[in-house]
Amino acid sequence: DAGITQSPRHKVTETGTPVTLRCHQTENHRYMYWYRQDPGHGLRLIHYSYGVKDTDKGEVSDGYSVSRSKTEDFLLTLESATSSQTSVYFCAIKRVDSYTEAFFGQGTRLTVV
Amino acid sequence: AQSVTQPDIHITVSEGASLELRCNYSYGATPYLFWYVQSPGQGLQLLLKYFSGDTLVQGIKGFEAEFKRSQSSFNLRKPSVHWSDAAEYFCAVLYNNNDMRFGAGTRLTVKP
Repeated sequence: DAGITQSPRHKVTETGTPVTLRCHQTENHRYMYWYRQDPGHGLRLIHYSYGVKDTDKGEVSDGYSVSRSKTEDFLLTLESATSSQTSVYFCAIKRVDSYTEAFFGQGTRLTVV
Repeated sequence: AQSVTQPDIHITVSEGASLELRCNYSYGATPYLFWYVQSPGQGLQLLLKYFSGDTLVQGIKGFEAEFKRSQSSFNLRKPSVHWSDAAEYFCAVLYNNNDMRFGAGTRLTVKP
């Protein structure tokens, strides 16, 4: 258990509304990531953070923004949700600042109707 | 372009039979390679990883994987599959410290 909590675990929202997903970690890790999982695509990196207020884009960042004001929290925001953003979102952390594996949260299933 | 390919979308094996899941990657240098498993409704759990050294790596739950540089492959194997191994398996490649690419996944069904 890497001490990662995602909230909410499930959410249904309407097209055009803003949505924020939260990733909380209890082990003070520097690196945090947001992925989305879709059938036929595996997991794709949306954004990542390498410290407080330090973030960067991943492979599929369009339509998403992130914030990290505290080490323990990494927020993913959909400013205006679209149906193409219906997905399962995973937060991940890395335990050390090097080439190592990522540890994943339980996921948030988001449905945009 | 950097990519990870899992050619088999779905595999069915009988309980007790051997298993091999395929993974191929594109990368010029020696990559860092991983296999993850995902049970329904769960997050991803690391099965094993390869960074350097012995090209046959052992993981949890009786899994092993072999890195073959000449074939750009990192196939996952298990000698005898158990019903509890039914899940989705993802191969991943770490291209730099923050760029981990995943294959599309292989769903494993185990027949009794």
